[in-house]
Amino acid sequence: RKEVEQDPGPFNVPEGATVAFNCTYSNSASQSFFWYRQDCRKEPKLLMSVYSSGNEDGRFTAQLNRASQYISLLIRDSKLSDSATYLCVVNKEDSSYKLIFGSGTRLLVRP
Amino acid sequence: GAVVSQHPSWVICKSGTSVKIECRSLDFQATTMFWYRQFPKQSLMLMATSNEGSKATYEQGVEKDKFLINHASLTLSTLTVTSAHPEDSSFYICSARAWGSSYEQYFGPGTRLTVT
Repeated sequence: RKEVEQDPGPFNVPEGATVAFNCTYSNSASQSFFWYRQDCRKEPKLLMSVYSSGNEDGRFTAQLNRASQYISLLIRDSKLSDSATYLCVVNKEDSSYKLIFGSGTRLLVRP
Repeated sequence: GAVVSQHPSWVICKSGTSVKIECRSLDFQATTMFWYRQFPKQSLMLMATSNEGSKATYEQGVEKDKFLINHASLTLSTLTVTSAHPEDSSFYICSARAWGSSYEQYFGPGTRLTVT
């Protein structure tokens, strides 16, 4: 079983749509969770951290369910510029600050 | 703030040669730097973790004699791909973690290596 699993997509949605991505992780001891965005042939960029209470940043909302080891990202009012691959990222349990990346979910927003 | 640079951004080399990639934290001190590799349509795979002044820790399956990592200062880490082969062609990305920070890592723009 992969340490971090995501649906690869692609999710093809019209502008203005709401889209949700899910992610599951295998290590119950993980403590830090993130969503990164990666554009084609570029480095990943931090989109947002994910907190236990859930958090929102503009059109983006992240949720964490520790009991189910499940993380979600909701994007409202999709823009063309949201087209990218979204990576679910979880830290390993040890103290080395290593991050484990999911394989990513590709989003295509069409006009 | 929190800018990480990589050099070169792309390189083409012949099979059997060595290539050095530099990763620099420009406006902060990075106690820990990480090296990742990403093949097309795959996610980032951690290769090794390097701490300033000590030997790098390699992930399982990564040959430490082939991928030499040096973290000589708090702002510079280098990855040398020795005796490169076509299967080493990939996108190499470094990241840096600032001293005293949480788990957040700042990523360099990556180096695209093509071995012919």
